[in-house]
Amino acid sequence: GENVEQHPSTLSVQEGDSAVIKCTYSDSASNYFPWYKQELGKRPQLIIDIRSNVGEKKDQRIAVTLNKTAKHFSLHITETQPEDSAVYFCAASKDGSGNTGKLIFGQGTTLQVKP
Amino acid sequence: DGGITQSPKYLFRKEGQNVTLSCEQNLNHDAMYWYRQDPGQGLRLIYYSQIVNDFQKGDIAEGYSVSREKKESFPLTVTSAQKNPTAFYLCASRLAGGGNEQFFGPGTRLTVL
Repeated sequence: GENVEQHPSTLSVQEGDSAVIKCTYSDSASNYFPWYKQELGKRPQLIIDIRSNVGEKKDQRIAVTLNKTAKHFSLHITETQPEDSAVYFCAASKDGSGNTGKLIFGQGTTLQVKP
Repeated sequence: DGGITQSPKYLFRKEGQNVTLSCEQNLNHDAMYWYRQDPGQGLRLIYYSQIVNDFQKGDIAEGYSVSREKKESFPLTVTSAQKNPTAFYLCASRLAGGGNEQFFGPGTRLTVL
């Protein structure tokens, strides 16, 4: 069935360093790839997403890259700050007309940014 | 935070009891989803609904039931048949069609005593 693998499960970086989280998906028909940030006890919130017609997208300190051939995508956070500490989830779905839009989530990465 | 609410925030249940978790949205979203979150396992889809009076099983539907009588409401019942119901339950909604974000509710933490 559809599957998304996410690595690493935990990541610790010094403030100011970069963090990279990687995901691999199994369904080649997937075309929408969001990233969610979840703080302890709170709801996941979308931080960035990318569609399959684009190879890279950037929003300030956050960027996502997509390699459709290899079926993997990555989240890059530069100049990390303590408030970036949270659990990050990647997801994949088949979006658009006739599709359900249901998300298949990775297992999550706990990011700790040390001051 | 998106107009999607869940209640209660915390719920305690005795073994053998059914409980119903509420999810309401005022975003006029067509599709609604229920996820279960356990530590280290990400979010797993329980049920989803794309239109009123229609819903489909997700990956872990056994022991759960839902209804979608109104567009804005998608309650989840955790039945006594669910063997390990203690978890954090998240409801989400989105507009139908391509390119639309799923918005999450604040979640309900269910504990079986």
